[in-house]
Amino acid sequence: DARVTQTPRHKVTEMGQEVTMRCQPILGHNTVFWYRQTMMQGLELLAYFRNRAPLDDSGMPKDRFSAEMPDATLATLKIQPSEPRDSAVYFCASALRQGGQPQHFGDGTRLSIL
Amino acid sequence: DAKTTQPPSMDCAEGRAANLPCNHSTISGNEYVYWYRQIHSQGPQYIIHGLKNNETNEMASLIITEDRKSSTLILPHATLRDTAVYYCIVILGGTSYGKLTFGQGTILTVHP
Repeated sequence: DARVTQTPRHKVTEMGQEVTMRCQPILGHNTVFWYRQTMMQGLELLAYFRNRAPLDDSGMPKDRFSAEMPDATLATLKIQPSEPRDSAVYFCASALRQGGQPQHFGDGTRLSIL
Repeated sequence: DAKTTQPPSMDCAEGRAANLPCNHSTISGNEYVYWYRQIHSQGPQYIIHGLKNNETNEMASLIITEDRKSSTLILPHATLRDTAVYYCIVILGGTSYGKLTFGQGTILTVHP
């Protein structure tokens, strides 16, 4: 089965360090989403892209977060500098933009900022 | 997107059918009903979706009432691995058009 692949699966680092999370969407999917999940806030949309162009990043703290799609097979989410409150599970999802098509999620990156 | 209401928890015996209800009384004509589940430490998993008609796939069946104000997800032969949080989501045009908003969901526990 085709899957969304996220790396790394786990990341522990100290406050102030740069963190880069990567996502390989399902081949042929033209829409990519970044979500963050915490116990307190649940699942929040950070940003999403269609055909590699950012469509909505209103959920993302702009001063420290950035999201890009260098090519159709790679999406990245960077945090610089990282803070303890960024500790969460970050999910990437991809979809084919057609009526009714579902988003498919990766297994996430579990990030801990000390 | 229409609001959904689900019971907070349900139990099911292994091998029996699990019927998970969802109320979406304010649903509009172009809004799809989606079901996802999340097993601990994994990403949300797509199960099934529908617009007006009942749907079936290899994982589950989705029954949508004629007035579309409620639906039921059916896992025909539940196994222990089906223990998870199940989310019913209503979204205009389908999930590829924008963000998914997960509510509290139903915690399904399948017991031996």
